Amino acid sequence: DGGITQSPKYLFRKEGQNVTLSCEQNLNHDAMYWYRQDPGQGLRLIYYSQIVNDFQKGDIAEGYSVSREKKESFPLTVTSAQKNPTAFYLCASRARGAGGELFFGEGSRLTVL
Amino acid sequence: SQQGEEDPQALSIQEGENATMNCSYKTSINNLQWYRQNSGRGLVHLILIRSNEREKHSGRLRVTLDTSKKSSSLLITASRAADTASYFCATDGAGGTSYGKLTFGQGTILTVHP
Repeated sequence: DGGITQSPKYLFRKEGQNVTLSCEQNLNHDAMYWYRQDPGQGLRLIYYSQIVNDFQKGDIAEGYSVSREKKESFPLTVTSAQKNPTAFYLCASRARGAGGELFFGEGSRLTVL
Repeated sequence: SQQGEEDPQALSIQEGENATMNCSYKTSINNLQWYRQNSGRGLVHLILIRSNEREKHSGRLRVTLDTSKKSSSLLITASRAADTASYFCATDGAGGTSYGKLTFGQGTILTVHP
């Protein structure tokens, strides 16, 4: 069964802690994306990667970091530099860098206590 | 910055009525896509329209694209209670620094009453 798996689904962290959200896909997709969604809002692009070992900043990259060492994996680290990290994080992938539909995971909800 | 702006922000209709949502964008695009999101879930792709297309249909969905006005609309005909969800447009950048960048609008919350 092909798809995108995000973990954990819910995560709580204390202020000042870094946290890493996992995103794994078995769709053999080249491109992967991370979005942030705040309550009642649209999705804002954090980082995206069109190929292994390469990634680009989105519109709100400050306070976040990513890596793309393997085609199937695109983890997102929310650092302590992110001022307001409480949000719903969505990972997505598509077959190539541009022109096709995105397939989304079920999201990770991060709450900073 | 958000590429797409959608209106209305919320739409409430009765089952059987049609629902129309609009999306405007600012820069050149490769294609425009519409997605649906049930509360607390990931997004699901509905339909994609390329920049050289003007209209596309898929089941009860009809999408139009006017590149001269930089706008698109999504029509859901004969709506059902199960259509209740948030709907988002997303624009795929045409090239340069926007290549591969898929940017979403704020979304329209659709409520269909039985």
